[in-house]
Amino acid sequence: DTEVTQTPKHLVMGMTNKKSLKCEQHMGHRAMYWYKQKAKKPPELMFVYSYEKLSINESVPSRFSPECPNSSLLNLHLHALQPEDSALYLCASSQGNPGGYYGYTFGSGTRLTVV
Amino acid sequence: DAKTTQPNSMESNEEEPVHLPCNHSTISGTDYIHWYRQLPSQGPEYVIHGLTSNVNNRMASLAIAEDRKSSTLILHRATLRDAAVYYCILRDRGSGGGADGLTFGKGTHLIIQP
Repeated sequence: DTEVTQTPKHLVMGMTNKKSLKCEQHMGHRAMYWYKQKAKKPPELMFVYSYEKLSINESVPSRFSPECPNSSLLNLHLHALQPEDSALYLCASSQGNPGGYYGYTFGSGTRLTVV
Repeated sequence: DAKTTQPNSMESNEEEPVHLPCNHSTISGTDYIHWYRQLPSQGPEYVIHGLTSNVNNRMASLAIAEDRKSSTLILHRATLRDAAVYYCILRDRGSGGGADGLTFGKGTHLIIQP
């Protein structure tokens, strides 16, 4: 299995809803990532779980919260989002150490629309 | 990660070779040169990476200048399916266990004409 699987593929949610995005990989990768991508812009890093340690991009608002139940799963919990949070949310994984040597595998993303 | 510079867009014809340039004049000796591409409505896809020597795989070739301040991604025979945004990214060999993630620049939008 050489894939990163993201569910759901599309999500529409209201500003008062709570929802979760899911990401799964079975490649034994020890680092997993969440990215946000707005239309016609490059992906921006939100969170990293590397060897069970969380790193946060400090510009990400607290209405986004990651969770890593085990080394194969990564969730992104969403609460009280704003319309400007509408974007493509991408999950990725890599083998981890050494960080620069290995490539990243990306999922196809969840297209989120906040209404 | 050190900064890279790529043209905003390039155009090529189908079935012809494509050379995508990337400048990275501040590259350090431990930086790997990675290339990813993103097709419309998909996540980025790993293409190739290298350190000093030229690299080949089934998707592309990577030509690295002798001083490593520039590199070129070569698609040997472009198809319409190669139309995508191509990102050149430097990654330090250590990179803390991958904890810092990939930092994407604006990339090159490759247009393939039939």
